[in-house]
Order: sequence, then C-alpha cells, then structure tokens
Amino acid sequence: AQTVTQSQPEMSVQEAETVTLSCTYDTSENNYYLFWYKQPPSRQMILVIRQEAYKQQNATENRFSVNFQKAAKSFSLKISDSQLGDTAMYFCAFKAENSGGSNYKLTFGKGTLLTVNP
Amino acid sequence: SAVISQKPSRDICQRGTSLTIQCQVDSQVTMMFWYRQQPGQSLTLIATANQGSEATYESGFVIDKFPISRPNLTFSTLTVSNMSPEDSSIYLCSVVGRLGGGYTFGSGTRLTVV
Repeated sequence: AQTVTQSQPEMSVQEAETVTLSCTYDTSENNYYLFWYKQPPSRQMILVIRQEAYKQQNATENRFSVNFQKAAKSFSLKISDSQLGDTAMYFCAFKAENSGGSNYKLTFGKGTLLTVNP
Repeated sequence: SAVISQKPSRDICQRGTSLTIQCQVDSQVTMMFWYRQQPGQSLTLIATANQGSEATYESGFVIDKFPISRPNLTFSTLTVSNMSPEDSSIYLCSVVGRLGGGYTFGSGTRLTVV
C-alpha cells in the first residue's frame, strides 16, 4: 500500500515571497503519478500540478513548480510570488499507473495549511 | 476536464435519518469516486462507483451505511444512512480524467448531523 506524508501541518509566507511545501511518499510501484491539489475555504479541490514518475523533468505551471526526486521519493511544491489567493489547504496525492482495481485510487497526504500574509 | 455538479452543497440532518448526495457530470465517465473528508482531515476514499456493477467499497466502509447508485455514465448518488454525529463531514465525488490525468472533484457536500 502507498503512503503519502506531509510533515508541515501549517506554513505561512509573505505576499510576493516564495514558499516550498514538502511531500514524501512510499511505494513499491515503479510507474505512478503525483499531484498537488489546493483546497481553499470554498472546499473545491483544485488540481495545481501533476508529475509523471517516468519524466525526469520537473513539472511547472506558471508560479507553481515541483522538485521531484524519485530515488528519495520526494515531491515538493514551490510557489513563487505568493498571492493572497494562494491561501488554502494543499494536499499531495499519489496514484499508481497500472489501470484496474484499486490502482485508480488517489492516496492523499494529511495536507498543509498555507497562509499568505499581506 | 469534466465539470461536476454536486448537490446539496450543505445540509443539517437529524440523527437516524438518511441523506442522498447527487453528482452529475457533463460528460460520460467510466469510474466515479466518493470521498469523505472529516473535519480538519484529509480525504478518504469511500467507494468506487462503476456503471452497471456494484460499487467497490474501501476497508471500513459498507454498503448498508453508504449505498451508492450509478444508473448511467454521467450520474451517481451516495446515501449516508442512519446518520450519527460522527458522520458529520464533507463528502466529495470525483471522476478521473484521461489515464494519468488529474482527477476532477465536485464542490463537496458539507453534512452536519445533530
């Protein structure tokens, strides 16, 4: 079974600064996908970024980028030029690549509450 | 990506009653998922709903407590039965995009049982 660990329950950052959220995972799978989701107070789960494990290049989406270290099983999220609207709970999630059965299941970490201060 | 309409957005229910949550997707999807998010916690998968077959439940969740219907490829319901205060949570439905793609979530149902 896979596990996802987010060791930072809460973090804060000043507006316009950069912050990095940590995520580690444990799996015996070789091919898988990793995701960061954002959940603002509205409760809506919003996909921020995803990474395929077979890709060495780190994924980037505008101000959001990841540092994917497959050997270390680490998948951190960097938010640059933080904005007030980035205030939310951030969840790291894992999904095995193989189709069928429970491999479609997303396994979530416990989340990191990020507060962006003006 | 798919757009999901989830209803109701919130409800306050008496213990011992049941609530049915609906999710409507704007495109046909093979698999739909139901998650529970207890206060201040992460998301836990309740079950996977496949059209034309019984739902597959995760450990700790049973059909009698959380019956699921999946009558077609765009719609599913989750019923929370014989509710107790411990069932107070946010319930979310989700669909998977193309293989490896991100999952899309409904806006959630905030359930409070009193």
